[in-house]
Amino acid sequence: GENVEQHPSTLSVQEGDSAVIKCTYSDSASNYFPWYKQELGKRPQLIIDIRSNVGEKKDQRIAVTLNKTAKHFSLHITETQPEDSAVYFCAVRTDSWGKLQFGAGTQVVVTP
Amino acid sequence: GAGVSQSPSNKVTEKGKDVELRCDPISGHTALYWYRQSLGQGLEFLIYFQGNSAPDKSGLPSDRFSAERTGGSVSTLTIQRTQQEDSAVYLCASSLFGGGIKETQYFGPGTRLLVL
Repeated sequence: GENVEQHPSTLSVQEGDSAVIKCTYSDSASNYFPWYKQELGKRPQLIIDIRSNVGEKKDQRIAVTLNKTAKHFSLHITETQPEDSAVYFCAVRTDSWGKLQFGAGTQVVVTP
Repeated sequence: GAGVSQSPSNKVTEKGKDVELRCDPISGHTALYWYRQSLGQGLEFLIYFQGNSAPDKSGLPSDRFSAERTGGSVSTLTIQRTQQEDSAVYLCASSLFGGGIKETQYFGPGTRLLVL
């Protein structure tokens, strides 16, 4: 089955700096790659996603890049703010049913 | 509009008891997923519904776990003879078509289950 690895597990950044989280996957048939943000005690919220026919997608301070050959994708957050502090999960969809395989998560702490 | 809702928000039970967790998906969403999130871990897929049928039950950890969905809407996840290792947050998600173009999954707030 699909194996999703996410790094780093924790990330501490100064406000205003950039944060990068990377995920690797094993199944070359994977076709959809969402990123979820989960604040403490809250539900996961989709922040950005990318499909396998696109190499990069940007939404304001957030961007995702996909390298299908190397089977990895990354989340980039620029000009980080304290409200960006949360756990971020990458996920991969491989089959046609839509179930997602999640990475273990990255705890991001933005210090003022 | 209303998002995915789940009940109860918290459940404390004794080992060996049965529990039922409920999920109300977004109206009109045909696909429904159950995930489990253990403390400090990622989300683990349990089961997928398309309408009332469950074509993918591959994530259910044991035969103590079962789920059903009625009327293409509400779903219930049942855990029989609960064990301490069942303690986790159980998250439900729904999406419009499942594997189709509109495949964004929207999550509920989860049910936090504690088995004593």
